Amino acid sequence: GESVGLHLPTLSVQEGDNSIINCAYSNSASDYFIWYKQESGKGPQFIIDIRSNMDKRQGQRVTVLLNKTVKHLSLQIAATQPGDSAVYFCAEKITGGYNKLIFGAGTRLAVHP
Amino acid sequence: DAGVTQSPTHLIKTRGQHVTLRCSPISGHKSVSWYQQVLGQGPQFIFQYYEKEERGRGNFPDRFSARQFPNYSSELNVNALLLGDSALYLCASSYFGVTDFNEKLFFGSGTQLSVL
Repeated sequence: GESVGLHLPTLSVQEGDNSIINCAYSNSASDYFIWYKQESGKGPQFIIDIRSNMDKRQGQRVTVLLNKTVKHLSLQIAATQPGDSAVYFCAEKITGGYNKLIFGAGTRLAVHP
Repeated sequence: DAGVTQSPTHLIKTRGQHVTLRCSPISGHKSVSWYQQVLGQGPQFIFQYYEKEERGRGNFPDRFSARQFPNYSSELNVNALLLGDSALYLCASSYFGVTDFNEKLFFGSGTQLSVL
């Protein structure tokens, strides 16, 4: 399939290093945030989520940080592996109502051995 | 268990034609959403359906329409295709259509539409 990351900012890291991907969200009324991973030819895959009443949430090798003051999200990936190479999107949503997610522009993560 | 399935995977059309894209949600999911992803950008919300009713519509022209069937599968229709409609069209499903901690949105692999 076509790459979704042709014109996106790229973060290049060495295998085993930690990665930090940043995202600025747009709506101060958003209260639920999600990070997705998208590999070439596939749809977005859920990684981790966080609500606005939290500032940090940890998963397996991933951590999401939320700073509501400056409307900023970050995704930290520990011990980055080649399989982590993909495009990463943050998405925001206003809880309740319907399922409209607003996606950020995306960042391509390239992991080098 | 099968995930969200979409058909066809690739499609080539010419300007002015009509296209129908199909989506089958995960078994048990009653809500289907459609997103458009232009190359190099994040997905953009087009529609959401829940229990066969439209629950939300994004900022897309009336050339875009959709429907949901009694078995919860869905079709996205686009009339009078323009070159700018070339994109990856993603379908996503969830149980009740209210994405939150307790209800994740699951995406299919999409239909790549090329308009020549």
